[in-house]
Amino acid sequence: EEQLVESGGGLVQPGGSLRLSCAASGFTFSDYWMYWVRQAPGKGLVWVSCIFQDGTTTTYADSVKGRFTISRDNAKNTVYLQMNSLRAEDTAVYYCSRGGFTHSLDVWGQGTTVTVSS
Amino acid sequence: EIVLTQSPGTLSLSPGERATLSCRASQSFSTTHLTWYQQKPGQAPRLLIYGASSRATGVPDRFSGTGSGTDFTLTVSRLEPEDSAVYYCHRHEASPAFGPGTRLEIK
Repeated sequence: EEQLVESGGGLVQPGGSLRLSCAASGFTFSDYWMYWVRQAPGKGLVWVSCIFQDGTTTTYADSVKGRFTISRDNAKNTVYLQMNSLRAEDTAVYYCSRGGFTHSLDVWGQGTTVTVSS
Repeated sequence: EIVLTQSPGTLSLSPGERATLSCRASQSFSTTHLTWYQQKPGQAPRLLIYGASSRATGVPDRFSGTGSGTDFTLTVSRLEPEDSAVYYCHRHEASPAFGPGTRLEIK
């Protein structure tokens, strides 16, 4: 079964840092782009970042550029999201997703919750 | 930057009826990159439609997608109570973008 499992969420103070992880299983991880998508409480889905198969290309939403860093370890089948200088508006459920060959996000994790509050 | 808008914001229908959900883009783009997702409360999104009109694995044929250019439509026929969810359209390209969603309520 193709599966993504996120971890690393929690409560952090404004200005703090957090690293999210997403462990993949059931498919050849290195064949796929990987994405992070977030959803603030009661709001819609927002793309955050994505990373190419070998990690050489990364893209970020303007709202997180310069603060968040996406990376991956294909040996560990894991994608990461390092989040620095966190703000209250970064509070959200963060989903990890696979960029499928059909130009879609075809596998999703269950999400991990990040709360930025003092 | 291409912006997606969805209408209506909320749709309330009865079981057995047909739902028509609209997604409009501020600029034209390839149908290859238009997808639809379903999200139920407390759950992760689920891929429904890719390439504007192809159903993902396991998606009932009651769900269908059409459209091109700037106007896309998701139709849900013979509504069932389990179809209650928020539906998002999405442009899967560089700097991906989601629409704001349409909430479908089954009375």
